[in-house]
This record gives sequence, C-alpha cells and structure tokens, in this order.
Amino acid sequence: QVQLVESGGGVVQPGRSLRLSCAASGFTFSRYDMLWGRQAPGKGLEWVAFISYDGINKYYADSVKGRFTISRDNSKNTLFLQMDSLRTEDTAVYYCGRSLSFDYWGQGTLVTVSS
Amino acid sequence: DIQMTQSPSSLSASVGDRVTITCRASQDIINYLAWFQQKPGKAPKSLIYAASSLQSGVPSKFSGSGSGTDFTLTISSLQPEDFATYYCQQYNSYPLTFGQGTRLEIK
Repeated sequence: QVQLVESGGGVVQPGRSLRLSCAASGFTFSRYDMLWGRQAPGKGLEWVAFISYDGINKYYADSVKGRFTISRDNSKNTLFLQMDSLRTEDTAVYYCGRSLSFDYWGQGTLVTVSS
Repeated sequence: DIQMTQSPSSLSASVGDRVTITCRASQDIINYLAWFQQKPGKAPKSLIYAASSLQSGVPSKFSGSGSGTDFTLTISSLQPEDFATYYCQQYNSYPLTFGQGTRLEIK
C-alpha cells in the first residue's frame, strides 16, 4: 500500500534552516509528481511546493519562494524540502503528498520556529 | 490566484442525515477539484478527485459534483466517524489553493 513518511521536523530559531524528508513506498515513486503542504496550528491547509516526477519542474507558494527548495532522489524514493531563513509564521505541520490532487498524504512532521 | 470559498464554514447535523457542502472557485477550474476529510490530530484523507471521482476505498456515501466554478460534496446517511472537517482544493493552476474548511459537527 502507498506510504509516505515524513521526518526532520523540530524546534528551530528564526533565521535558521531545517531539511525535511519524505520516504515513499508502495508505488513507483519516479512516476509521480510530489508536493509539500502545511497546516499552521488551528488553521487550514496550505500548499507549499510542487516537483514533477523527473525533478525538472518546480513551483512554490509565494510565501516560501526564495527560501524553500523542493528536491527528490528517485533512486532512494525520497522527497525533500530544504527550508532556509525560517520565520515564526512557518510554524506548522508539514505534509508530503502525491500528485497534484494530493491523493495520498503522509502523517506529517511538526516544525516549530521560535526563539 | 484562484480563491476557493466553502460554505457553510460549520454545519451541525444528526446521525443518519444527508449533508451537502459547497465549494466555489473564483474562476473556471474545469473539474480540477479534490475533496478531503480531516479529523483532529490526523492527516487529511483524499475522498474525491476530478470533482466527482471517488478515491479507491472511499465509501459510496461520499459523492462529488460540479464543474467550472461551482462544486458540491454530499455525504449521505451520516455516521459518527463522518464528523470531521472537510476541505476542497483546486489543482487547475498554481498556486494550488484550498478552501477554508467546513467543520461538520454532531447536533
């Protein structure tokens, strides 16, 4: 069955960096576009970044453009999100998702940006 | 950016009821619309994609309809496990955007 497992979350000070990972299994990872989304405490869902199946095309939400970088390693079935220059408003549970319609979601990893 | 507006924002219903949630897009998204269910402390779960296609394993009590700018999610014969928050999402164009959510509560 399809499984997406995020890791790498934690508490970090404003301005610092963090790298999230998402390990995929149960499907042919290299054939699927992948996404990151997030949910701030008590708030709704927000799309963060997209990467095409081959890693060539990438798109970002304006709120993270220039600070976050999405990437993937198809040989290791793993999706990444490099988060630099973190701000307090980036505090959220971060989810990886499969395909533009988020047909599968991981369980999420909490990122807390606080001094 | 395409704005997605759900109504109502919250809804009280009883077990056995049939409910409908509406999602309106600020511009034509054809049928590039998905619906999700989220329970407290859990990841969202996909219910519907392409406006009306049921995800594998999702009970047929969930149904979606619409095209263009107006879409609905209908849940028939509500059961206790259906009380949750529901979100719509458009994937016609970037940035991908979600509705604000509809909280379905037990009356």
